[in-house]
Parts: sequence; C-alpha cells; structure tokens
Amino acid sequence: DQQVKQNSPSLSVQEGRISILNCDYTNSMFDYFLWYKKYPAEGPTFLISISSIKDKNEDGRFTVFLNKSAKHLSLHIVPSQPGDSAVYFCAAVLSGSARQLTFGSGTQLTVLP
Amino acid sequence: SQTIHQWPATLVQPVGSPLSLECTVEGTSNPNLYWYRQAAGRGLQLLFYSVGIGQISSEVPQNLSASRPQDRQFILSSKKLLLSDSGFYLCAWCGGTHLSPLHFGNGTRLTVT
Repeated sequence: DQQVKQNSPSLSVQEGRISILNCDYTNSMFDYFLWYKKYPAEGPTFLISISSIKDKNEDGRFTVFLNKSAKHLSLHIVPSQPGDSAVYFCAAVLSGSARQLTFGSGTQLTVLP
Repeated sequence: SQTIHQWPATLVQPVGSPLSLECTVEGTSNPNLYWYRQAAGRGLQLLFYSVGIGQISSEVPQNLSASRPQDRQFILSSKKLLLSDSGFYLCAWCGGTHLSPLHFGNGTRLTVT
C-alpha cells in the first residue's frame, strides 16, 4: 500500500520552460513534505520542504505547493535547466514520528537543451 | 558543518556471505540515523532507524540487521546474503527539530552474485 505516490515515472521539458512534478499521498497524518533530487549512483539531495500549515514554499527557482484537501503536492521548477535532469522524489513525514521519510517512487525529469 | 560518510561505495558479494556496511556522521551529536534501500527501478524503502545509541527500529522484516555502537555510527549487517539483498543502500541522518530534512550519504551499490 503506497502512501506516497508519484504517478508519472518520467517527464521531459524544454530548457527555460516550467517543470511541474506531482505527488499524491493518502495518509492525513503526514505533516511535513520534502522534495529530493537524485543523480545515478549518488544519494538524494534535499531540495525544498513544506510544513502542512503552509500551502506554498519558495526557494529560488523551486516552489512547492501543498493542497491538503486534495492530498496533493507539486514541485515547480522555473526556468528549467539541463542540470535539473535527475530523478525527483517526494517524501512525507508522519506527525509525531522519528522523522522517518516515506518516499514516492520518483519521477525522472529530462530537460532538453 | 555536518558530513556523512558511507563505505564502501560498491560491493560484490556471493550469496551466503556476510555483510557489513558502515556509516558515520561528523559535526553533530545525537542525530537520528536511518538506513534506506533503493532496489532497481524502485523508490527508497526505509529499513532501519535509530534515535539513540543501541536503539534500533526495524521497518521491514528481512535478512538484515542494524546496530548503533556509537552516537554517530550506524552499521548495516547480514549473516548470510540473499540474491534479493542486491540494491543501493543509503544512510541518512537528521537532527534538530521535526522540520529538519534528512541528509543522505552517497550510498553503497551492493551486488549479490
């Protein structure tokens, strides 16, 4: 039973355009959400996070949106750059937990020059 | 600043052999520590986490075990490897507040032959 789902295994975007990566979750007890970027043969790198008390968090080219009623979050990258090509994972943390992350299955983003 | 070290980077082991992967964190005290595994084409699955020395929580019953002999050292072990243990093993740490992200090491690629 996947509690965090990324339904698009891959996404291709032209350089300079917006990349939108989506994530859905089922457990309403998640209260903290994160996005990670991962290159092959490396560990994931933290990108941006959002608490459930917010609906938007922005950091440079990266913005995360949270829609709690829909149990949906998205990561927007504007403008997209070829160096953004990687696998992006969304992850969620249960309220009151030891901060174990539950990950989605990832989306491979390819930014075309 | 905090750093996390994980070794070896790659490992090829025969079925039935033992395993020991080590992870150490520098620059922080009393971190939460985690072992994740990424199987080929899959997301990241939490295996073990630890909130203190000698405290280990297992998320998935399996052929592996974990130990935390020192505050900043986390070890993943197996007495007899199975083919299904092949994968990319990642150690992570976090500290501070509930809203602290996990930070990952560069991983160990384990191939069981």
